[in-house]
Amino acid sequence: AQKVTQAQTEISVVEKEDVTLDCVYETRDTTYYLFWYKQPPSGELVFLIRRNSFDEQNEISGRYSWNFQKSTSSFNFTITASQVVDSAVYFCALSELAGGTSYGKLTFGQGTILTVHP
Amino acid sequence: DAGVTQSPTHLIKTRGQQVTLRCSPKSGHDTVSWYQQALGQGPQFIFQYYEEEERQRGNFPDRFSGHQFPNYSSELNVNALLLGDSALYLCASSLAGPRYNEQFFGPGTRLTVL
Repeated sequence: AQKVTQAQTEISVVEKEDVTLDCVYETRDTTYYLFWYKQPPSGELVFLIRRNSFDEQNEISGRYSWNFQKSTSSFNFTITASQVVDSAVYFCALSELAGGTSYGKLTFGQGTILTVHP
Repeated sequence: DAGVTQSPTHLIKTRGQQVTLRCSPKSGHDTVSWYQQALGQGPQFIFQYYEEEERQRGNFPDRFSGHQFPNYSSELNVNALLLGDSALYLCASSLAGPRYNEQFFGPGTRLTVL
């Protein structure tokens, strides 16, 4: 069975601070995908990144960066120089690859509420 | 390019009633998945439809059923509503094939059961 744990329930920072959201996952699969989604108050889940289990390179996109470490089953997300607009709930998710009875079902963590104060 | 749309936005029902939620996938997508998100929780997978058939199901009772139409839109039906069914119901669409993991979510339908 797959499991995603986001140990930080809530994080509060002041604008321009850097913040890291932690994600730890469990899976018996050797190939899988990891995701981060952002959920603003409107409720819609906004896709941020997808990473497959073969690619452990860190990725940077503007103020966002992701650190994937297969050895510790972690996929952490860092926002540099946070802004008020970053305030939202952030979800880490895990999915198996195609094949067998898997068709991309996402298993989500509990989410981390990020509040960025001006 | 229209994204995923869902209707209605909000819904209030009483225990024991039945409800139908609707979803139109992103243009070009042929696969629809439904998720239930209780307050303060992460979304939980309900089921996925492709080619008008349910092809994967999460740990939800038979009270939850669905349908996919030839135009790829989908409905989620919940019978004999319980208080615990109160949640945000999210629809996600994707393409079958190697890129199926890229699921695009709609704004959700917030269901309140009284």
